[in-house]
Amino acid sequence: QQQVKQSPQSLIVQKGGISIINCAYENTAFDYFPWYQQFPGKGPALLIAIRPDVSEKKEGRFTISFNKSAKQFSLHIMDSQPGDSATYFCAASNDYKLSFGAGTTVTVRA
Amino acid sequence: DAGVTQSPTHLIKTRGQQVTLRCSPKSGHDTVSWYQQALGQGPQFIFQYYEEEERQRGNFPDRFSGHQFPNYSSELNVNALLLGDSALYLCASSLARGLNQPQHFGDGTRLSIL
Repeated sequence: QQQVKQSPQSLIVQKGGISIINCAYENTAFDYFPWYQQFPGKGPALLIAIRPDVSEKKEGRFTISFNKSAKQFSLHIMDSQPGDSATYFCAASNDYKLSFGAGTTVTVRA
Repeated sequence: DAGVTQSPTHLIKTRGQQVTLRCSPKSGHDTVSWYQQALGQGPQFIFQYYEEEERQRGNFPDRFSGHQFPNYSSELNVNALLLGDSALYLCASSLARGLNQPQHFGDGTRLSIL
């Protein structure tokens, strides 16, 4: 069964808008939460990551919000650009292995 | 600084055959993990190798096996191929030292089973 649930499956946003992707998990042993970006024909590329002792982390236009009590975390892409059009995966890790969500395909319209 | 490299990029096999996929980790990395990504889904963890031994394994049958060499490169072997083994196989490398070191992925091998 999938240990990390991701939504929405896809979203369309206008250039300059905000994209929001949500993930939820059940396993409280998870202690590392990365986000990956994947373009067609390429492998996933690490975008940003957070540990559960931090509630928010920002790197450029990308922000992770983390709610430990709710066991949820989300990715916000600010000022979305056409080059951000890709599939985004949340993941959670404990004891070395990554458990991925099913992915969100983001399309940024110019 | 070379990233994770995988070969071949594409492979076509028939049911029942065996396949070997190869991975060279990012420079300085000593740990290699393998993932299977079916079309339209997130990657699924197969196993991880460190110090030439399998450190952890996901929910995959024994038909999936691996190896790590002294130079940290790795192979994934799949025997008795099934149609359901068609997928993108991804290799990720990381550092063993310290918990939850970032995993860096290669571009994968696209395996098609006819």
